[in-house]
Amino acid sequence: GAVVSQHPSWVICKSGTSVKIECRSLDFQATTMFWYRQFPKQSLMLMATSNEGSKATYEQGVEKDKFLINHASLTLSTLTVTSAHPEDSSFYICSAPWTGPPGELFFGEGSRLTVL
Amino acid sequence: AQKVTQAQTEISVVEKEDVTLDCVYETRDTTYYLFWYKQPPSGELVFLIRRNSFDEQNEISGRYSWNFQKSTSSFNFTITASQVVDSAVYFCALVQGGKLIFGQGTELSVKP
Repeated sequence: GAVVSQHPSWVICKSGTSVKIECRSLDFQATTMFWYRQFPKQSLMLMATSNEGSKATYEQGVEKDKFLINHASLTLSTLTVTSAHPEDSSFYICSAPWTGPPGELFFGEGSRLTVL
Repeated sequence: AQKVTQAQTEISVVEKEDVTLDCVYETRDTTYYLFWYKQPPSGELVFLIRRNSFDEQNEISGRYSWNFQKSTSSFNFTITASQVVDSAVYFCALVQGGKLIFGQGTELSVKP
């Protein structure tokens, strides 16, 4: 069945460095992908909608320059956390809608970012 | 505004007990979709069910059942004869503009 793959599963980096997270749809094309962030013991909050061939749409309060999103192809979206700081440490999850019923989303495995 | 509320932050039960997780939603849309997801400690989201607003029939899948009540804007989830493997965080979610809006989640702990 349709699968969304996310890489890396976990990453530890030093404060001030940039980290890239990839989200791939493995056997279907996704013109749109969603990026969520989840802090410990909290819910998933939508950060942005990634659109193939155009700019991402960011949710209110999410810094565009901090979280760079590039939807390079119909199967790949990347999230780059620039100049990461400890407060950016979180679980990042991507999802892609399938051409099935409205709202049906496939989720990646998630990427746990720890900034030291 | 669209909103999903899961009032129970944490629930702890003993194995074989039945447990109900509550979900209340707000939407101005006449057509909408509701979901339940399970998030085990490993972090991945596991899809459990999707329900559209036109279908108010309750659904049962093995030990899982769902009670959708439009009149009270609720979509509650019951696990019968709970097992330790059911321990996880459960999220209720509502679709808005193709995007999922999640509730706060309920952490279920099933003890042996």
